[in-house]
Amino acid sequence: GEDVEQSLFLSVREGDSSVINCTYTDSSSTYLYWYKQEPGAGLQLLTYIFSNMDMKQDQRLTVLLNKKDKHLSLRIADTQTGDSAIYFCAEGMGSNSGYALNFGKGTSLLVTP
Amino acid sequence: DAGVIQSPRHEVTEMGQEVTLRCKPISGHDYLFWYRQTMMRGLELLIYFNNNVPIDDSGMPEDRFSAKMPNASFSNLKIQPSEPRDSAVYFCASSRQGNTEAFFGQGTRLTVV
Repeated sequence: GEDVEQSLFLSVREGDSSVINCTYTDSSSTYLYWYKQEPGAGLQLLTYIFSNMDMKQDQRLTVLLNKKDKHLSLRIADTQTGDSAIYFCAEGMGSNSGYALNFGKGTSLLVTP
Repeated sequence: DAGVIQSPRHEVTEMGQEVTLRCKPISGHDYLFWYRQTMMRGLELLIYFNNNVPIDDSGMPEDRFSAKMPNASFSNLKIQPSEPRDSAVYFCASSRQGNTEAFFGQGTRLTVV
């Protein structure tokens, strides 16, 4: 698919908020996702948002969606060192594909004490 | 359920050899996906199956790559002959019809020398 864009690196201090941004390409995407990958591990779904929503909150995670600008963000409140990982934004390719995913290249989040 | 199971976890092979990567999806899931992760290209969808039938293989890089799903509980991805540029982490994922979440295996790290 076409490019889903993310910044490559983000460094924050423990206790601060982290905001990871993403721009996607397909305005018809029904669902947009955030996955987390820890070193040497597979991908873990963190959260997803339906395209008719503007915001979704799940404990420390807040997802904001701006459909007009095709912009998605993930905010992690009170970031901990255990949050250090790579975060992938992905757009679902539609229900007919079983929501096959078009991923961004990932943002490496480093949380320092 | 044990989740999506991939084998082997690591594979090192010489250029020109055939490589077979294996995946057992979660029982009851209708969709199976193969993704490849490299530093340069990030995560790319290679192929996906619905009810054991290949639906979209447009992401398969070239004819050296093939994938099959002989039954609902097994899929393999073959590379013949393998080349150093095939070195990557290959992920398998599965999902249930109508469900927005795909579950990923731990991946197979392939190194072709």
